[in-house]
Amino acid sequence: GIQVEQSPPDLILQEGANSTLRCNFSDSVNNLQWFHQNPWGQLINLFYIPSGTKQNGRLSATTVATERYSLLYISSSQTTDSGVYFCAVGHYGQNFVFGPGTRLSVLP
Amino acid sequence: DADVTQTPRNRITKTGKRIMLECSQTKGHDRMYWYRQDPGLGLRLIYYSFDVKDINKGEISDGYSVSRQAQAKFSLSLESAIPNQTALYFCATSDSTENTEAFFGQGTRLTVV
Repeated sequence: GIQVEQSPPDLILQEGANSTLRCNFSDSVNNLQWFHQNPWGQLINLFYIPSGTKQNGRLSATTVATERYSLLYISSSQTTDSGVYFCAVGHYGQNFVFGPGTRLSVLP
Repeated sequence: DADVTQTPRNRITKTGKRIMLECSQTKGHDRMYWYRQDPGLGLRLIYYSFDVKDINKGEISDGYSVSRQAQAKFSLSLESAIPNQTALYFCATSDSTENTEAFFGQGTRLTVV
């Protein structure tokens, strides 16, 4: 089945810094989402982005489907951005496969 | 109100007990899913249903069963709970078209002692 990798596995930032999280996948996809799991365990939809670029406030995401990767950008990070960021992909009629996540800690 | 609602949110149960986790959705989606998340790991698929008459095993179905009572309701059962089923469980829904966003419930934290 499709494999999903995320990097880096862990990231520590000072408040106000910018960061880029990466998601690589091993096959073509027609579905890709980014989630933020907060410290209470809730999964929050950030972006549905099988291709192209989207922005939402301080966050933006880009998926280059032909090269099998997606990037999540966080600018001017805040302590509330802490948590785990997951990429999940869907491969034509098959179910979502989640990556292992990137654990982000933003220090005040 | 949340579009995807899971009950209970937290549960502690004893080894050998039967327990049911429930999921209901108001999005009108055909597809529903149950995932499990172990500490420090991503989500893994337990079961999924593409419509009321369709139930399919996922990656880790052993020890679990499901019931799709209606389009809006999908329940997960642990027939005889064991400690290594202690995990965070998520229900999700999506539309039946190919390119579609999935929506997740708030999770059920299950502890088997």
